[in-house]
Amino acid sequence: SQQGEEDPQALSIQEGENATMNCSYKTSINNLQWYRQNSGRGLVHLILIRSNEREKHSGRLRVTLDTSKKSSSLLITASRAADTASYFCATGLNFGNEKLTFGTGTRLTIIP
Amino acid sequence: DTGVSQDPRHKITKRGQNVTFRCDPISEHNRLYWYRQTLGQGPEFLTYFQNEAQLEKSRLLSDRFSAERPKGSFSTLEIQRTEQGDSAMYLCASSSERNNEKLFFGSGTQLSVL
Repeated sequence: SQQGEEDPQALSIQEGENATMNCSYKTSINNLQWYRQNSGRGLVHLILIRSNEREKHSGRLRVTLDTSKKSSSLLITASRAADTASYFCATGLNFGNEKLTFGTGTRLTIIP
Repeated sequence: DTGVSQDPRHKITKRGQNVTFRCDPISEHNRLYWYRQTLGQGPEFLTYFQNEAQLEKSRLLSDRFSAERPKGSFSTLEIQRTEQGDSAMYLCASSSERNNEKLFFGSGTQLSVL
């Protein structure tokens, strides 16, 4: 079963604009991660934020986490055509993170 | 670090046939995971191994599915008596003991059951 729900399901923006996608989840978590998937390929880890953190940055990525609302957002600044992909949030429940539970994904299209 | 390798990339089979997929994780990674992904959905957890021990199986993994990791290195996922509903992308991932939170995924095996 899917733990997270991403919003929106699809997003199209012009190159250079910022893209924001949101993730909501249902249970208490240890950490939340974001992954990117290009069409027909495997997933690539982008960033991890722990339950005791509120914001994290990595290059053009900014992730926030609100555990009281059980939600997270991923902001991609200054988007590029190469950012076109599907983005998934994934939650880790146990300290050892034996498994990740993925959301349904946001399909991001960057228009050159 | 050559990445996670999966074979084959694509498999087309007829309903009722058995299929087997292989995953070679990153060499020093002791954890290996199998996920299934259908079109437009996120990956769904199937099972995971720590070394050669299979530690958790999803209810999605019916009796027709079996996974092994005999020497704690590569893993195989077998589906017996395939059904059309088994059509999906089967993804393998691995993680290291030192940083087991971050998963490294292979490119997947796309299964089509006719």
